[in-house]
Amino acid sequence: KQEVTQIPAALSVPEGENLVLNCSFTDSAIYNLQWFRQDPGKGLTSLLLIQSSQREQTSGRLNASLDKSSGRSTLYIAASQPGDSATYLCAVRGAGGFKTIFGAGTRLFVKA
Amino acid sequence: GAVVSQHPSRVICKSGTSVKIECRSLDFQATTMFWYRQFPKKSLMLMATSNEGSKATYEQGVEKDKFLINHASLTLSTLTVTSAHPEDSSFYICSARARDSFFSGNTIYFGEGSWLTVV
Repeated sequence: KQEVTQIPAALSVPEGENLVLNCSFTDSAIYNLQWFRQDPGKGLTSLLLIQSSQREQTSGRLNASLDKSSGRSTLYIAASQPGDSATYLCAVRGAGGFKTIFGAGTRLFVKA
Repeated sequence: GAVVSQHPSRVICKSGTSVKIECRSLDFQATTMFWYRQFPKKSLMLMATSNEGSKATYEQGVEKDKFLINHASLTLSTLTVTSAHPEDSSFYICSARARDSFFSGNTIYFGEGSWLTVV
């Protein structure tokens, strides 16, 4: 059974700092991995989608990497801004089907 | 791009009543839809998988008589929370898998979610 863990659970950083959010999964047989952000009281916003054959994806200040063999993905946020404050979720879709398993998220607070 | 719409985005209902949440695929046909719920400060948990025209498959621990899922067409799935209680207050989100290979690439699209508050 796939389990997805995100570390740290919460993170507070000063504005401008580069930071890394971690996501680990127990079953390396995945189809893809997706990073979302969730603002308080809002829905999910898709940030980056990495297919199982890919190693990383980049969008603006965001870079997500995937290492299937070690069951890890990282989300790198460069030059953090207060507007980046949100909960970041990683979600893993298994290779055998279409179920997507979510991590518990990392709550990020960027101080101005 | 493909869009999945949920309605309502926020709903408040009285304890003991039933509330329906709709999930629509706006520009593609969805053979499979998934329903998740999220407790405060917790992860999204898969509740059930529904295929068009058949009964939903519920995850362990999810009461199928309380959370009624109907996937009557290829563009619409509904989640009805029956006899709602305050502990049912949560964030509910659906996702849909496109049937059309032009859209799919086996992609799953997520709705923006619905916040349910039971008072």
